[in-house]
Amino acid sequence: QLKLQESGSGLVKPSQTLSLTCGVSGGSINSDGYYWSWIRQPPGKGLEWIGYIYHSGSTSYNPSLKSRVTISIDRSKNQFSLQLRSVTAADTALYYCARAPTTTDTYYFDYWGPGALVTVSS
Amino acid sequence: QSVLTQPPSVSGAPGQRVTLSCTGSSSNIGASYDVHWYQQLPGTAPKLLIYGNNNRPSGVPDRFSGSRSGTSASLAITGLQAEDEADYFCQSYDNSLSGSVFGTGTKVTVL
Repeated sequence: QLKLQESGSGLVKPSQTLSLTCGVSGGSINSDGYYWSWIRQPPGKGLEWIGYIYHSGSTSYNPSLKSRVTISIDRSKNQFSLQLRSVTAADTALYYCARAPTTTDTYYFDYWGPGALVTVSS
Repeated sequence: QSVLTQPPSVSGAPGQRVTLSCTGSSSNIGASYDVHWYQQLPGTAPKLLIYGNNNRPSGVPDRFSGSRSGTSASLAITGLQAEDEADYFCQSYDNSLSGSVFGTGTKVTVL
């Protein structure tokens, strides 16, 4: 059974960089056919797709966040990471990592991590 | 930044049928991109409920069904149960944003 687990700092100061890692177990991040994704949810609000990375290293980002986001992959550790620069209070959210099969152009997210709450505050 | 619109809330009595709508535009659902649905129970991560408009992952009861028409999609829950009380989100692809988009979410309340 595939499992994803987010880890990282739960408190980030304004203007600094948010960093999270998603560890993958029960499957290989090097497998063909999956996008490894980040999604966030502000408290009490809806879901926002942040971006994804393929095992080759190719990425796609939400245009509204693209200038501040980097998603990277560490195949040796079977994990992928999110960096969000110049954060503000508006970036306070529950951050989820998820897997998306690439079988269709409208990829869906079939496995999710439990989420990591990141608060931006001084 | 949700570009897919859902009603904020829907309610029904146990055993009833409820329908949740998801309205998009010509750059997402109207462009024939598939719609997917997620159920989010309180305090948990979203769970895939329907993929590819009307397909259920293994383990999802057949009480849940999806459809797509024009620039909208729907999720139907028949035989509503107390355990169905949750938030439901639709999701698709938007070619003007070149990325995945989610709906605003609907809270289902079982009366």
